[in-house]
Amino acid sequence: NFMLTQPHSVSESPGKTVTISCTGSSGSIASSYVQWHQQRPGRAPTTVIYENNQRPSGVPDRFSGSIDSSSNSASLTISGLKTEDEADYYCQSYDISNQVFGGGTKLTVL
Amino acid sequence: EVQLVESGGGLVKPGGSLRLSCAVSGFTFSNAWMSWVRQAPGKGLDWVGRIKSKTDGGTTDYAAPVKGRFTITRDDSRKTLYLQMSSLKTEDTAVYFCSTDDPINRHWGRGTLVTVSS
Repeated sequence: NFMLTQPHSVSESPGKTVTISCTGSSGSIASSYVQWHQQRPGRAPTTVIYENNQRPSGVPDRFSGSIDSSSNSASLTISGLKTEDEADYYCQSYDISNQVFGGGTKLTVL
Repeated sequence: EVQLVESGGGLVKPGGSLRLSCAVSGFTFSNAWMSWVRQAPGKGLDWVGRIKSKTDGGTTDYAAPVKGRFTITRDDSRKTLYLQMSSLKTEDTAVYFCSTDDPINRHWGRGTLVTVSS
């Protein structure tokens, strides 16, 4: 079964840049698009990156996504961190016809 | 404004059944592929399954843990998505979210809590 592995937590200071990784267990992560979803406590998820590196309307350009085939991983980078960015972040991709979510990364902005 | 509103959650005993609904507005439901995603207390997101639009065949796919126990259906005339859950287990306890499946424009409901406990 295809799995996506994320670090459990990351922390960084306001104004800095943080990168969250998402590593595929097998195959090529580049063979299917990766999305990134933000979930604030007690709230429904919202998409911050789709199709590896595209931002939905309304998502600031402080959020960016990328794929690194050499490490079979995707990354979400948030620059100019704000306290409002503190949330759980989930990568998501596909395994044939099924969706697969990473375990989530808790971002603390302190 | 796009809205997805889940309902039907509650407390059910192991082995029991429950049907969740997701009423949508603000977009053309009949054209949309729809998914259910769940989140156990304090845990991450888990995809449950998806139903395609009728024009794309209306077929369903399910995650392995729920295959054979859960059924996703849709009523395009009522703009409502359903999740029929049977043979429920304690590990099915979670908040269940419905969402559109379009990665470019994914919308989520607020979720409904299902608790499976004796």
